[in-house]
Amino acid sequence: DVKVTQSSRYLVKRTGEKVFLECVQDMDHENMFWYRQDPGLGLRLIYFSYDVKMKEKGDIPEGYSVSREKKERFSLILESASTNQTSMYLCASSLSGQNIQYFGAGTRLSVL
Amino acid sequence: GNSVTQMEGPVTLSEEAFLTINCTYTATGYPSLFWYVQYPGEGLQLLLKATKADDKGSNKGFEATYRKETTSFHLEKGSVQVSDSAVYFCALSNQYNFNKFYFGSGTKLNVKP
Repeated sequence: DVKVTQSSRYLVKRTGEKVFLECVQDMDHENMFWYRQDPGLGLRLIYFSYDVKMKEKGDIPEGYSVSREKKERFSLILESASTNQTSMYLCASSLSGQNIQYFGAGTRLSVL
Repeated sequence: GNSVTQMEGPVTLSEEAFLTINCTYTATGYPSLFWYVQYPGEGLQLLLKATKADDKGSNKGFEATYRKETTSFHLEKGSVQVSDSAVYFCALSNQYNFNKFYFGSGTKLNVKP
């Protein structure tokens, strides 16, 4: 079974802090994604990566950056956390040519 | 552009009732269509998919048929169980860019005993 692991289920941070959300997949997938999930808005794509060191902006990249130094790991970075970034963050991965995304359990981030 | 619209919830049903969750889409080309399910406290799991017009995806008693003429992919189940309580997301991916998925806003289903 594909396993996508997000390092934290819950995080509480203060406004202005630098925040790292980590995601690791164990199936050698080329593609990895970061979404945020908000009530009534569904999932919105923040960034995705189709290879090591490659990244593409999604629909809402402002205030976020990403890092993919190794194939299995995709990090989401909030350079200076703000209260409007309080949300559920979901990581996903997929194999190139296979049209299915596999999701982690999510990280619920609260910025106070 | 690409977008997915699904019915707002929550939907509350009694056990063994019939379920329909409506989903319509807008897409360029010929998208693949998906239903994902999110159980409480978990990430999304693929429930079923269909890759071309008139295909029917099915899994765990759920079904959805890809209707190109009405641009719809409605989710149905003949007899729901309490364990089906979850949030259901309709999604599409475009043939020109398999890397990107477009999700609906989600529909919460509550099934009462």
